[in-house]
Amino acid sequence: AQKVTQAQTEISVVEKEDVTLDCVYETRDTTYYLFWYKQPPSGELVFLIRRNSFDEQNEISGRYSWNFQKSTSSFNFTITASQVVDSAVYFCALSGVGSGNTPLVFGKGTRLSVIA
Amino acid sequence: EPEVTQTPSHQVTQMGQEVILRCVPISNHLYFYWYRQILGQKVEFLVSFYNNEISEKSEIFDDQFSVERPDGSNFTLKIRSTKLEDSAMYFCATQRGQSSGYTFGSGTRLTVV
Repeated sequence: AQKVTQAQTEISVVEKEDVTLDCVYETRDTTYYLFWYKQPPSGELVFLIRRNSFDEQNEISGRYSWNFQKSTSSFNFTITASQVVDSAVYFCALSGVGSGNTPLVFGKGTRLSVIA
Repeated sequence: EPEVTQTPSHQVTQMGQEVILRCVPISNHLYFYWYRQILGQKVEFLVSFYNNEISEKSEIFDDQFSVERPDGSNFTLKIRSTKLEDSAMYFCATQRGQSSGYTFGSGTRLTVV
């Protein structure tokens, strides 16, 4: 069975601080995808990144970066120089790769509050 | 950029009533999903749909739930007799292919009173 664990329920930082959101996953699949989504107070799910299990290179997109470590089954997300607009709930998710539908399995989310 | 459209954005219904949540997928997408998020909790998979039939469903998706794509465009989730615990945000998501990314709709907030 697949499982995603986000141990941090809530994090609060002061604006301009860096913050890392942790994600640990479990799967028996050899090939899979990992995702991060942002859910602002308005409620929609905003896609941030998808990473194939074969690609362990870290990724940077502006102030966002992701550290994928297959050896520890982790896919952590760092926001550099946080801003108030980053305040949201962030979900890590996992899906298999195969024939047919591959539903996403979500973690419980981490609520990030950035204080001005 | 193509969008997945969900209607209504918010629905209030009395316990025991039937509700139908609607999703218009992106036109060339083939795989469809419904997810549920109870307030303050994680997003949970309900059901997946491909080639006009259910391909997988979770334990949550019991006999009170059904899905269909009646006219080849709308993808609907029906709850036959709503309970208080069905109050949640319901998200539709679609995929073009098995290895494609998912596109989520903006959700329908269902409130059962």
